[in-house]
This record gives sequence, C-alpha cells and structure tokens, in this order.
Amino acid sequence: NAGVTQTPKFRVLKTGQSMTLLCAQDMNHEYMYWYRQDPGMGLRLIHYSVGEGTTAKGEVPDGYNVSRLKKQNFLLGLESAAPSQTSVYFCASSYGAQGNEQFFGPGTRLTVL
Amino acid sequence: GNSVTQMEGPVTLSEEAFLTINCTYTATGYPSLFWYVQYPGEGLQLLLKATKADDKGSNKGFEATYRKETTSFHLEKGSVQVSDSAVYFCALTRPAGNMLTFGGGTRLMVKP
Repeated sequence: NAGVTQTPKFRVLKTGQSMTLLCAQDMNHEYMYWYRQDPGMGLRLIHYSVGEGTTAKGEVPDGYNVSRLKKQNFLLGLESAAPSQTSVYFCASSYGAQGNEQFFGPGTRLTVL
Repeated sequence: GNSVTQMEGPVTLSEEAFLTINCTYTATGYPSLFWYVQYPGEGLQLLLKATKADDKGSNKGFEATYRKETTSFHLEKGSVQVSDSAVYFCALTRPAGNMLTFGGGTRLMVKP
C-alpha cells in the first residue's frame, strides 16, 4: 500500500496564478483533510471531507477550494495565489471516528512569489 | 474553543538524557489526545494516543498520560537517542468529530 500520496512535491507560483494539489489514499478511508504548516504555528485545518461528494470548511478556508469526487482523492485548489499562501501543505486521511489515527502524506512545499 | 499549548523549542539534549515535553489543552467535553512526530523532510506520524482520562499511551519508549484534572498530556522518554531528533506535535480531537487541533510543535535535537 502506498498510503497517502501528494502531488506535486514542490511548486513555485506567481501571485494570481492558480493550481491544484492532488491527494490520494489507498486505505479506503472515509475522512480526508487538508492542512497547512507554517513555522511555529503547528498545522491548521483548511478543509476536510467526511465522505465522497462532501466537503466542509476548517479553521483557515479562505482562498482555497476543495473537491472530493472520488473516495480516494481529495483536491485542494488555489484560484488566485497570494504570498500569504506560501506554506507546506499536508493531506491526511482517517477512518473517521474520534480517536482514530490520521495518516499523513509527505507534503507539498508551495512558494508564491 | 479548543486549543493546545506546548513548550517552545528547540530542546537540546545529550544522548541517554531524560526527555519531557509539556503539553496542556483547552477543550469542551472529552477530547482524544495525540502525540505526532515529524522527522526531517517527512509528513507526520502518530507516536501515541490516549482516548480517555488516566489512559497512558506508549510507543518506542515514549509515554504520555491523559490528565484531565490538570488538562495535560506531557510526553516523556527515559533515554533519548540521536534518532529521536524530530519535531513533536501535541494534538487533540474534539468529541463531535475527528478534526485535529495541533500545538505549535517542539523541535528536539539529540547530540551524541
């Protein structure tokens, strides 16, 4: 099993450009999550999904959109990138109930110039 | 709201030293508590967890006890190794769902 995979690993964008980050999991997990990691702030939840076709806002959703068309994939979109979105983005998945472990991908390092 | 506070780093120790990383939380209800570890250049991995008061989570020589009376979940290890050098995150999930709230992370550096 590959677990949770993310593409791309690195990306540099100019302000105003758009891009999509792809997350895939092969563990048949119901829940999927997108986090951003900034120095000294831990990870903050951007959006999450509790099942195919569902999405919900997390702690810092502004400037991002998501889609969960297939159970195994969770896409994070930036329509008009801003320098404040420079960060490391992590995708995670879990079975869903409280106390269940979240499995994390290796991360995508995004720089917005 | 929910929040997690952990000691700021970096924490620098010599090999075989005793480790404590403090973590306290604020939450409604009865959250589950976690410690995750992030090795350089990698994603986060679950180190240990506890789902109810007085539970002790343990893994790879690390331990943490869920203390509801002090709202704490301190991470300890009796003898650290160079390979334990990483960033450690304390986190909780609120009862109504499985969304993690993280502390800011503590970088541990272990010198030979």
